[in-house]
Amino acid sequence: GAVVSQHPSWVICKSGTSVKIECRSLDFQATTMFWYRQFPKQSLMLMATSNEGSKATYEQGVEKDKFLINHASLTLSTLTVTSAHPEDSSFYICSARDLSRGPGTEAFFGQGTRLTVV
Amino acid sequence: LAKTTQPISMDSYEGQEVNITCSHNNIATNDYITWYQQFPSQGPRFIIQGYKTKVTNEVASLFIPADRKSSTLSLPRVSLSDTAVYYCLALEGSSNTGKLIFGQGTTLQVKP
Repeated sequence: GAVVSQHPSWVICKSGTSVKIECRSLDFQATTMFWYRQFPKQSLMLMATSNEGSKATYEQGVEKDKFLINHASLTLSTLTVTSAHPEDSSFYICSARDLSRGPGTEAFFGQGTRLTVV
Repeated sequence: LAKTTQPISMDSYEGQEVNITCSHNNIATNDYITWYQQFPSQGPRFIIQGYKTKVTNEVASLFIPADRKSSTLSLPRVSLSDTAVYYCLALEGSSNTGKLIFGQGTTLQVKP
């Protein structure tokens, strides 16, 4: 299957600092990318959807000024957690789809980023 | 978006066939049924996808009845390495966003 690469795999940062997570589709053009957050023993929670060149659409309850999403190209999307706090510690996962291939095109996921805010 | 319902957990033994059923009563006409597998601290991995009837690949089979209100993922002869969480999703086929909403998933525990 297609490959989605996420970087870094894990990061530890101090409270109040910002962290950027990158998501790249390595062998296909991702018209749409998604960002999820997952807490221990829980399912994935969709945070936002981004289309290349457009502003991201955030799910209800997700602060757009805290979680900045940029989808500058068809192969790269970034999530920046601004002014991170310990409660932002979580597992962040990106996903990508190439909807130009048709409506049934599956989504591919990155390996996830473990963020720990201390 | 169609809501999916699955058993929270299942136990099996090595070598057995495992069937995980998912209910999606309000699935839309253009939605596809998609299953993902997730191991701890990893992103979900695509297993199989179908629209109706039966689909088979090298790792699993997917059965979808004519009314499409449910689906069954079948894993033949599971091994310990199949212990994971399995998610059933309705993949939007008509929306420009095509977003995936995850339910609680089924935690499969394979025992020796």
